[in-house]
Amino acid sequence: AQRVTQPEKLLSVFKGAPVELKCNYSYSGSPELFWYVQYSRQRLQLLLRHISRESIKGFTADLNKGETSFHLKKPFAQEEDSAMYYCALSGTGGFKTIFGAGTRLFVKA
Amino acid sequence: EAQVTQNPRYLITVTGKKLTVTCSQNMNHEYMSWYRQDPGLGLRQIYYSMNVEVTDKGDVPEGYKVSRKEKRNFPLILESPSPNQTSLYFCASSSRARGFSEAFFGQGTRLTVV
Repeated sequence: AQRVTQPEKLLSVFKGAPVELKCNYSYSGSPELFWYVQYSRQRLQLLLRHISRESIKGFTADLNKGETSFHLKKPFAQEEDSAMYYCALSGTGGFKTIFGAGTRLFVKA
Repeated sequence: EAQVTQNPRYLITVTGKKLTVTCSQNMNHEYMSWYRQDPGLGLRQIYYSMNVEVTDKGDVPEGYKVSRKEKRNFPLILESPSPNQTSLYFCASSSRARGFSEAFFGQGTRLTVV
């Protein structure tokens, strides 16, 4: 079954601390993995995708096919990183996207 | 400006009264989807459309209908809304024209069915 699991509903860290948002997936094939972010009162927007291997706003995510994981990491969290983060998976064709339940990140001053 | 527009943003209705939530995109995207967002459940796909006149069920299609008569529009229809359809709804569009997909989301429609 296709599934995206984000085990933490809430993650609270202090400003300047490292942060890791976990994402595990189940998919029989070669998926595309994404992280989307939803800041307060804003629409969801793409943060990064595994295929481009880029760093956005200091965040990176590495696809680990052996562990079927796509954890989101940032070495030094900032207060403006506080938001809801969704891990997502798209299969072949790219239009049927499956989202995880989301993790709310709260960065304390 | 490239965007996905949903209307209305907020809607309170009574059980059984048919309603339509509109969604429009100006990016000429082939793919459009509807999701509902519920606490603890994340985003669940209701319906999606690969192109004009091509639609298919997502994970939670019961109680919903869609149509795709034009490429830019993808309305969500609730023929007989019930309280369990109270939720936050998002429309999204995407394209694989550049070899990868990225979903662009509307601003959301908060629906309350009483």
